[in-house]
Amino acid sequence: QSVLTQPPSASGAPGQRVTISCSGTSSNIENNLVHWYHQPSGAAPKLLIFSNRHRPPGVPDRFSASKSDTSASLAISGLQSEDEGDYYCASWDDTLKRHVFGGGTKLTVL
Amino acid sequence: EVQLLQSGAEVKKPGESLTISCQGSGYTFTNYWITWVRQVPGRGLEWIGIIYPGVSETRYSPSFQGQVTMSADKSINTAYLQWNRLKASDTARYYCALGGSDIKTYYNLAFDMWGQGTMVTVSS
Repeated sequence: QSVLTQPPSASGAPGQRVTISCSGTSSNIENNLVHWYHQPSGAAPKLLIFSNRHRPPGVPDRFSASKSDTSASLAISGLQSEDEGDYYCASWDDTLKRHVFGGGTKLTVL
Repeated sequence: EVQLLQSGAEVKKPGESLTISCQGSGYTFTNYWITWVRQVPGRGLEWIGIIYPGVSETRYSPSFQGQVTMSADKSINTAYLQWNRLKASDTARYYCALGGSDIKTYYNLAFDMWGQGTMVTVSS
C-alpha cells in the first residue's frame, strides 16, 4: 500500500482532458514539494512536473499540475496516444524520512 | 548530453552477492545527488536511497537500510548498488536517477534524468 494514493487507472479519447489525483498527508504533500513522472510501457520513468507545477524543458504545456493542502493533481489536455503509460506522483515524507511515490495511475488513450 | 548508463541484466541465486553500476556523463558527477529506485515487475516505484558522490554522503530509506549498500567511485563517474546476500524478493528492475546539486537538500528533490534500469533476477 503506497503512502500517496492515486487512482489505479484513467482513460480518455484523443483530444480530451484527463486529471489524475494524488492524495497524501501533512507529513508529505502538504509540507513538501510534489513531482510527477511518466513511465511509458517498458521504459524508464521520465520527469514530467517538478516542484508542484513546473515543467522541465521539452514537456509540452498540455501537462499541468497543482497542489492544495494534502492533495495534488495532474491534468493532461489534448490527449495523444503517446501519453499512454503509468503516471506517478512523488514527494518527501517527513515522518517516514524517505521519498515516497504514489501507486501509479495507468492512463489509456481510447 | 547528460546520461546515466546502467550495467546489464543479472541472474543470481539466493545468497549470492551482487553489485550493479550507474555511470554518469555530461555533467559534474561529484556535484549531484544520485538516487536508486526499485520497481518489482508489474508494481510501482520504491525509493531505496540517495548518494552524493563528491563526499559519498548517503541517506537510506528505512525499508532498505542494512539490506543494500550504495557507494561511488569519483575517478570513473560511477555509482554502485550492492547486495551481500540476495533474496528472491530482490527480483526487480533497479533504476538510478539524477537529483539536485545542493548537498544539504536530499529531500524535496525531483529526479530529472533516469538510467535505463538494470533487471536483477534472483532464483534458485
